[in-house]
Amino acid sequence: EAEVAQSPRYKITEKSQAVAFWCDPISGHATLYWYRQILGQGPELLVQFQDESVVDDSQLPKDRFSAERLKGVDSTLKIQPAELGDSAMYLCASSLLPQEETQYFGPGTRLLVL
Amino acid sequence: RKEVEQDPGPFNVPEGATVAFNCTYSNSASQSFFWYRQDCRKEPKLLMSVYSSGNEDGRFTAQLNRASQYISLLIRDSKLSDSATYLCVVRAGTSYDKVIFGPGTSLSVIP
Repeated sequence: EAEVAQSPRYKITEKSQAVAFWCDPISGHATLYWYRQILGQGPELLVQFQDESVVDDSQLPKDRFSAERLKGVDSTLKIQPAELGDSAMYLCASSLLPQEETQYFGPGTRLLVL
Repeated sequence: RKEVEQDPGPFNVPEGATVAFNCTYSNSASQSFFWYRQDCRKEPKLLMSVYSSGNEDGRFTAQLNRASQYISLLIRDSKLSDSATYLCVVRAGTSYDKVIFGPGTSLSVIP
């Protein structure tokens, strides 16, 4: 069964450092999502791509976060500089189309900022 | 008011019990509704979609009340393996179908 790949699985960094997360969606999936999930809460959408275009980044803290999906396939989410409050699970998901019922999630990257 | 709200939980129930979770949403233009399941320290996975007429999948029954903007999930004959967090998910009716997750309700099924 095809899966969404994410790396790294775990990241520990110090505040003010830069971090980057990578996601490779299921082959052929045009829609890619980045979510942040704080412990005890539901996933919060940070950015949604349709192919290489951003269709929603309204919840992305643009002063420190950036996301790209240059060729419409894999994607990178960057935080610079990291802050203590960024400690969370960062989940990537993909779907064939925006209207597709099922989003397939990757295993996530657990970030700890010290 | 949050866009999607759920019973705060946690729910602790014995094996074999029936348990129901509730979810409300604020955007009356919402088009699609889902329940996802998330095991501890794992990624969310789709449990079932919620259709207007209600739908059932084995021990799980989902209901939608558009007038009250309310969704429910009923689990019958609870199993230990049902222990997880259940996330209510609403897809808004925008051009790009924005998806909003609720905060989740935690369920522990006790032997």
